[in-house]
This record gives sequence, structure tokens and C-alpha cells, in this order.
Amino acid sequence: DQQVKQNSPSLSVQEGRISILNCDYTNSMFDYFLWYKKYPAEGPTFLISISSIKDKNEDGRFTVFLNKSAKHLSLHIVPSQPGDSAVYFCAASSGTYKYIFGTGTRLKVLA
Amino acid sequence: DAGVIQSPRHEVTEMGQEVTLRCKPISGHNSLFWYRQTMMRGLELLIYFNNNVPIDDSGMPEDRFSAKMPNASFSTLKIQPSEPRDSAVYFCASSLRLAGGLGELFFGEGSRLTVL
Repeated sequence: DQQVKQNSPSLSVQEGRISILNCDYTNSMFDYFLWYKKYPAEGPTFLISISSIKDKNEDGRFTVFLNKSAKHLSLHIVPSQPGDSAVYFCAASSGTYKYIFGTGTRLKVLA
Repeated sequence: DAGVIQSPRHEVTEMGQEVTLRCKPISGHNSLFWYRQTMMRGLELLIYFNNNVPIDDSGMPEDRFSAKMPNASFSTLKIQPSEPRDSAVYFCASSLRLAGGLGELFFGEGSRLTVL
């Protein structure tokens, strides 16, 4: 029972264009969401987060959008750079308990 | 500052052998997590400790898996006996859980386990 789903296992984008990574969740109790980035042979690192009281959070080239009614969040990277090539995981939590991660989306930014 | 430290980075063993993975969380963090990464399930939570006490071990696959946290600076994940389907990358993560929330998870570099 996957409570957090990333239905696109991979995505290729041209350098300079926008990358949009999507994540869907099923548990309406989730109130905090994060995106992590993972390079090969390294642990995931925190990228950006959003609370359920917001619908958008921006940090430089990275913006996360939350649509609570659709139980959907997305990560936008503009402009995309080759160094952004990595696996991106979305994660969700309810209250202060634990994070549930999705299966990840592998982003490849083509130079 | 040292991050989350895991050992070994790589482990190759034969089916039936005991495997012990180790983790040193970030000093001052009060929550520790063991995750397993596989292609099919992504990052799967195995067990969660808060203040050294196991809070949720519902993700531990079966009795062959066990985890301990004898003190705030050390945790182990043990598999006995190991099976080929246990092959995966195992991550340890820690965070500072406050009243306002769980906080950011800091991950170690992972232990890649191969069971032949």
C-alpha cells in the first residue's frame, strides 16, 4: 500500500528548460511534505519542504506546489542544469511521527 | 561537523550469514531511522527510534531483521540469517524531533548489501 506515489520513474529535460516532478499521496492526514535529492553512491539530501498551510514554497530555482484537494505536489526546477541530474524523492508526514517516501524519479538534464 | 556515519559502506556475504550494519547519528539528534532502498519500493522505512526507544518497527520485513539503539550515539541493524532478497542499500537517518515537528532528516551515505 503505497501512500506516496511517484508515477514517473524517469524524466529527461534539456538544459535551461523547466523540470517538473510529480508526487501523489493518498493519506489526507499528511501535513508536511519534503523533496530530497540523491546522487549515486550518496545518501539523500534535503532540498525543499512545504507545510499543508501553504500551496507554494520557493527557494532559488526550486519551487514546490501543493494541491491539497487533489492530494498532489510537484517540484519545479527552473532553469534545469546538468548538475540537477539525480533521483528525486518526495516524502510526507502526518503530525510529528515519521516520513513516508515515494519510489523516486530519476531526472536527467541533457546538456 | 560530522554527519550520519554508517558502516560498512559495502558488504558482500553469502546466504545464511549474519549481517550487522552500524550507524552513528548526528550528535544531539533524538530520532533515528533505518530505511532500505530498492527499485520496486523506493525508500522504505524499516524502524524508527525516538530517544533510543523503538517507536515503530512495522516496516521490519520479518523476524530475521532486528535493530537496537543502546545509546544516543549508536544503532545497529542486524539480519540473521541473510537471504539474497535482502540485497539493497540500507540508509540510516537522524533528525531532531521537536514539539513543532519531525525536522529535516539527515541521511548517511548508506550500506550496500549484497547477499549471494
